[in-house]
Amino acid sequence: QKEVEQNSGPLSVPEGAIASLNCTYSDRGSQSFFWYRQYSGKSPELIMFIYSNGDKEDGRFTAQLNKASQYVSLLIRDSQPSDSATYLCAVSQNNDMRFGAGTRLTVKP
Amino acid sequence: NAGVMQNPRHLVRRRGQEARLRCSPMKGHSHVYWYRQLPEEGLKFMVYLQKENIIDESGMPKERFSAEFPKEGPSILRIQQVVRGDSAAYFCASSPPGFRENIQYFGAGTRLSVL
Repeated sequence: QKEVEQNSGPLSVPEGAIASLNCTYSDRGSQSFFWYRQYSGKSPELIMFIYSNGDKEDGRFTAQLNKASQYVSLLIRDSQPSDSATYLCAVSQNNDMRFGAGTRLTVKP
Repeated sequence: NAGVMQNPRHLVRRRGQEARLRCSPMKGHSHVYWYRQLPEEGLKFMVYLQKENIIDESGMPKERFSAEFPKEGPSILRIQQVVRGDSAAYFCASSPPGFRENIQYFGAGTRLSVL
């Protein structure tokens, strides 16, 4: 079983729609959860992090965490073509971080 | 405050040569991580280091690969006797001390091409 699993996509949404990205993890001891965005040929950049169950909102982005279900998601509202990228879910315990394979998102104008 | 600095950005080696990749963490960061990314694939954890200590090397191939983070100077990822399969992007990330605030910041990466 992979430690962090994501749908590889591609996920395609029209401009202005909500994009929903999902991630599950296997280690119940995981403490911290992250979403990174990676444009093609570039390095990952942090978008959101969340530590506690529930929702965390930052602008157009909302991270949702459910530790009981071992599930973390990222919602992108009012999606823009510039949001087209690969989104990496990462899960951390005691400074060890593991990444999912990423979901490729395409926002069509 | 400079970000995570990696060099070189691009490295070309012939089979059998050694590749040496460098990473200077952000100021104040004491944790360094190395990842490998093959084209169209996700990030694969390789090794986690603190100053003068390897904390977790569970992702490192058993042969030809080594990493260090000396007391002074950058972290080094060394690949001996490179093969074509080593061609990939190698990313370094750093994070500050503390368990909760384990936000990793990435360098621009080193693209290794083995001819």
